[in-house]
Amino acid sequence: DAKTTQPNSMESNEEEPVHLPCNHSTISGTDYIHWYRQLPSQGPEYVIHGLTSNVNNRMASLAIAEDRKSSTLILHRATLRDAAVYYCILRAPGNNDMRFGAGTRLTVKP
Amino acid sequence: DSGVTQTPKHLITATGQRVTLRCSPRSGDLSVYWYQQSLDQGLQFLIQYYNGEERAKGNILERFSAQQFPDLHSELNLSSLELGDSALYFCASSVSPSGYYNEQFFGPGTRLTVL
Repeated sequence: DAKTTQPNSMESNEEEPVHLPCNHSTISGTDYIHWYRQLPSQGPEYVIHGLTSNVNNRMASLAIAEDRKSSTLILHRATLRDAAVYYCILRAPGNNDMRFGAGTRLTVKP
Repeated sequence: DSGVTQTPKHLITATGQRVTLRCSPRSGDLSVYWYQQSLDQGLQFLIQYYNGEERAKGNILERFSAQQFPDLHSELNLSSLELGDSALYFCASSVSPSGYYNEQFFGPGTRLTVL
């Protein structure tokens, strides 16, 4: 899988939107972009994934750049429960493993 | 609740010993993945089984082995344990054998402490 780069940490205020960036300049045309998060003392949790078009679900939105070299996970209204480590992962066809980097630690302030 | 169950929740053992960690996937999921999370290495993929067959191998030590049974539950066996094996071990499951286009569902983990 191609490499991703994320900021080590970010802070947000409660009830404000949060934009978590991810750079993946070596992404190939068939790589899917996945986001997972890990809340304290829990297993990772799927958030969202996409290939080319922007995606929305009940948890978040995923905005994918036109050249696909970067993406942004958007939490529309951060809550204290959203404090977690967020991982951006590229998944290539035929690669069954999932490679987690260091992720971005999101702190949400009340 | 992801629907993936892992037992035991905590395990404390001594160096040189052998332990077995158990995972039951979500109903209907045929793929099971094992991951290790330690403070210095982060989350690392160990091995995947799909419908009883080994499908992919990651950074799994030779002292570690896994299997998936006909009822689709999986066990991870860790032997000749060393202090450095202390970590959180997560199991995940997914519907398909090649999950690059869909999600994995993770269990709550087993915390292994080797003394």
